[in-house]
Amino acid sequence: SQTIHQWPATLVQPVGSPLSLECTVEGTSNPNLYWYRQAAGRGLQLLFYSVGIGQISSEVPQNLSASRPQDRQFILSSKKLLLSDSGFYLCAWRGRRVNTEAFFGQGTRLTVV
Amino acid sequence: KQEVTQIPAALSVPEGENLVLNCSFTDSAIYNLQWFRQDPGKGLTSLLLIQSSQREQTSGRLNASLDKSSGRSTLYIAASQPGDSATYLCAAPSSPNSGGSNYKLTFGKGTLLTVNP
Repeated sequence: SQTIHQWPATLVQPVGSPLSLECTVEGTSNPNLYWYRQAAGRGLQLLFYSVGIGQISSEVPQNLSASRPQDRQFILSSKKLLLSDSGFYLCAWRGRRVNTEAFFGQGTRLTVV
Repeated sequence: KQEVTQIPAALSVPEGENLVLNCSFTDSAIYNLQWFRQDPGKGLTSLLLIQSSQREQTSGRLNASLDKSSGRSTLYIAASQPGDSATYLCAAPSSPNSGGSNYKLTFGKGTLLTVNP
C-alpha cells in the first residue's frame, strides 16, 4: 500500500532563518506531488506541484521554492523566512490515472517568530 | 478559474441525525470531485472520489452525489456520531477536463461539523 511521510510535524523558526520541509511517498512510482498551505481561516492554497524529477510548477509568487530530487521526494524550502510564511503545510500525492484520489500527509505546523 | 464554495461554514447536530453538506463549483468540465475530512491539527483524509459518470458514490454511512450541470455536490452522512466531528472539505479539479499529469485541486473552505452526544 502507498504511504506518505511528511516531517517535521511542528517547527518554530525565527524570521530570516532558512526552511526545509521534506515529503516522501512509498509504494508508488512517478506520482504527481503537491505542496499546499493552509492559513487560519482560509482554504488550502496550492503552492507547488511536480509531475516528475526536477519539474516544478509554482502557483503563486512567494518566498518559497520547491525541489524534487528523486521520484518520490518533494522538498519545500526558503532561504529567509518571513512572518507571513507561518501556516500549516501539507504535502500530497496522486497517481496519473484520470479518476484516482489525492492523498495527503499529516502536515507541518510552521510558526515563524 | 475554478472556485469552490461550501455551505454552511459550520454545522452542529445531535447524535443520530442525518445531515447533508453542500459544495458548489463554478467550472463543471470536471472528471471527478473529491471529499476529504480534516481533524484539528491533522492532515486530510480522503473520504470519497465521485466520478463525473457517477451520480452517487457510497462508503459506509457516507454518500456523495455529483450534479455537473448545476455545479453541485453533496455529502450525506447517515446516523451521525460524535466521532464524525471534523471539518469536511470538498475539492474539484482546478483546470477544465484535467485528469492526468496536469491535475490540480481547488478546495472549498470546508464545513466544520460538530456532532453532540
